[in-house]
Amino acid sequence: ELKVEQNPLFLSMQEGKNYTIYCNYSTTSDRLYWYRQDPGKSLESLFVLLSNGAVKQEGRLMASLDTKARLSTLHITAAVHDLSATYFCAVDVLTQGGSEKLVFGKGMKLTVNP
Amino acid sequence: SAVISQKPSRDICQRGTSLTIQCQVDSQVTMMFWYRQQPGQSLTLIATANQGSEATYESGFVIDKFPISRPNLTFSTLTVSNMSPEDSSIYLCSVGTGPWEEQYFGPGTRLTVT
Repeated sequence: ELKVEQNPLFLSMQEGKNYTIYCNYSTTSDRLYWYRQDPGKSLESLFVLLSNGAVKQEGRLMASLDTKARLSTLHITAAVHDLSATYFCAVDVLTQGGSEKLVFGKGMKLTVNP
Repeated sequence: SAVISQKPSRDICQRGTSLTIQCQVDSQVTMMFWYRQQPGQSLTLIATANQGSEATYESGFVIDKFPISRPNLTFSTLTVSNMSPEDSSIYLCSVGTGPWEEQYFGPGTRLTVT
């Protein structure tokens, strides 16, 4: 069974600090997605990583993918309060029936304190 | 991207009743999916809604409990049947514009079963 594990699951950090969060997965996949969810809201797409070595940056967030290590990282630079949210990684896999599906990690709840 | 709407946005239902959730997309899409997010948890795929054929259900989800319709390329419904308090969750539809493409999520339907 495919597992997608995020580490840590909870993070409280101060504004201005840097931190890296991790997403490991247990099967071969070349596609990984990062989503953000604010309380009571739906999921907002942050990054789409489609190949080994892919790196994408948006504002204070940078995501990378190492398909050989089955690992993606999301690096936070100089955190601000507005980044407080839950971050999910999701891996795109092929089902036995030949269709695709996303398998999500448990999510990491980030709180950025002033 | 795609603009997705869901109805209702929230509902409180009595045990034993059924609720049908609608998902409308502003453009024709190949893939439509239904997810469940239990309180404080990650997302779990219920089924893939296939246009013109039966939905493909994930392990642990059955058609009698979660019947799905997809009459065209812009619309789908999910019914939660014979509800129990354990069905209290957020139900989200998502769409993909093509195989292995990024998925976009609707705003979700927050269901409470009493």
